[in-house]
Amino acid sequence: DQQVKQNSPSLSVQEGRISILNCDYTNSMFDYFLWYKKYPAEGPTFLISISSIKDKNEDGRFTVFLNKSAKHLSLHIVPSQPGDSAVYFCAASAFGNQFYFGTGTSLTVIP
Amino acid sequence: ETGVTQSPTHLIKTRGQQVTLRCSSQSGHNTVSWYQQALGQGPQFIFQYYREEENGRGNFPPRFSGLQFPNYSSELNVNALELDDSALYLCASSRGTSGREGNIQYFGAGTRLSVL
Repeated sequence: DQQVKQNSPSLSVQEGRISILNCDYTNSMFDYFLWYKKYPAEGPTFLISISSIKDKNEDGRFTVFLNKSAKHLSLHIVPSQPGDSAVYFCAASAFGNQFYFGTGTSLTVIP
Repeated sequence: ETGVTQSPTHLIKTRGQQVTLRCSSQSGHNTVSWYQQALGQGPQFIFQYYREEENGRGNFPPRFSGLQFPNYSSELNVNALELDDSALYLCASSRGTSGREGNIQYFGAGTRLSVL
């Protein structure tokens, strides 16, 4: 039962352009959403989060948008840099003790 | 500040055996969660320990069990290993279980388990 879905396994973007990574979820009880970044041979690293009571959160080049009616969130990276090349996981939590991750999107930023 | 560390890095076991994986949480964190990540998949939540008690559990059978110690380090035990248990096991720690701090998890690099 995949409650968090990332339908794009990969994405390629030119350096300096915008990267948009998408995520859909099914459980309306999720109250927190997060994006993690993962490099090979390392554990996921927290990138940015958003509470279900908000619709946007910004941190530097990274912005997360939450559309609760569509059960959809997205991560925008502007401008994209080669160092952003990694696998990005969308995650959602319910009550702080149940966590669900998507299958990841591999982002390649082309110099 | 010490990050999350896991041991061992790699492990090879035979079907039917038992395995124990270990995790030291980040300094100041009292909550530990364990995940199983199969190749090409996202991490799957196994369970969470908060103040030495199991606080949440994913869809894993009882042969997956855990412990959390007073210093907040943790163990994941898997009994009667099956071939499908071959995966990367990730440990993550957080400060509490609610709000921003409770939801942001800091991950170790994982233990790669191979079951033959």
